[in-house]
Amino acid sequence: DGGITQSPKYLFRKEGQNVTLSCEQNLNHDAMYWYRQDPGQGLRLIYYSQIVNDFQKGDIAEGYSVSREKKESFPLTVTSAQKNPTAFYLCASSTTGGASSPLHFGNGTRLTVT
Amino acid sequence: AQSVTQLGSHVSVSEGALVLLRCNYSSSVPPYLFWYVQYPNQGLQLLLKYTTGATLVKGINGFEAEFKKSETSFHLTKPSAHMSDAAEYFCAVSDRSGNTGKLIFGQGTTLQVKP
Repeated sequence: DGGITQSPKYLFRKEGQNVTLSCEQNLNHDAMYWYRQDPGQGLRLIYYSQIVNDFQKGDIAEGYSVSREKKESFPLTVTSAQKNPTAFYLCASSTTGGASSPLHFGNGTRLTVT
Repeated sequence: AQSVTQLGSHVSVSEGALVLLRCNYSSSVPPYLFWYVQYPNQGLQLLLKYTTGATLVKGINGFEAEFKKSETSFHLTKPSAHMSDAAEYFCAVSDRSGNTGKLIFGQGTTLQVKP
């Protein structure tokens, strides 16, 4: 079955540590996205990539970094500079990255930093 | 800039009753609009989308939405609620001006279905 795999489902880290969230897709989609979800705030865009080796900042990129070395992979690193990293992180992809293409989502990673 | 407002963070209906979830958008260009559903601790699943053409859009699980340009609305409806419809629902507008595929989401509406 084609889809988006996010791992791990739950992640716990101590404050001050960097952590990398994995996102892999086998849909052969060109574009990939990272969103952060907090209760009552909807989803906010962190980074996105429309082609391999290129990515753009979203609305809340500070404290995060990404890479897009392969079409199927778009890992997100939450750095120690991110002030409030505890959240639910969702990875998504779309066929072309065009405005009419719906996003397909993974099942998310819940990150807790203490 | 584009934005989405979902009226009502929580909506409660009885099983078998009409479901109406409200969404209003702001966009300087003709919008592409989407509704997604999220079950607890899961990702989002596309219910339906409007791009061009017919303004009444049918989606999965018996849901439909009507695009009303004059009211800048895209409300989601279902004639008869099932217990399995209990979830969080998100309305979103696409970034057409940049054609990046980015979606701007509303804050979500939690639907409770009472037996």
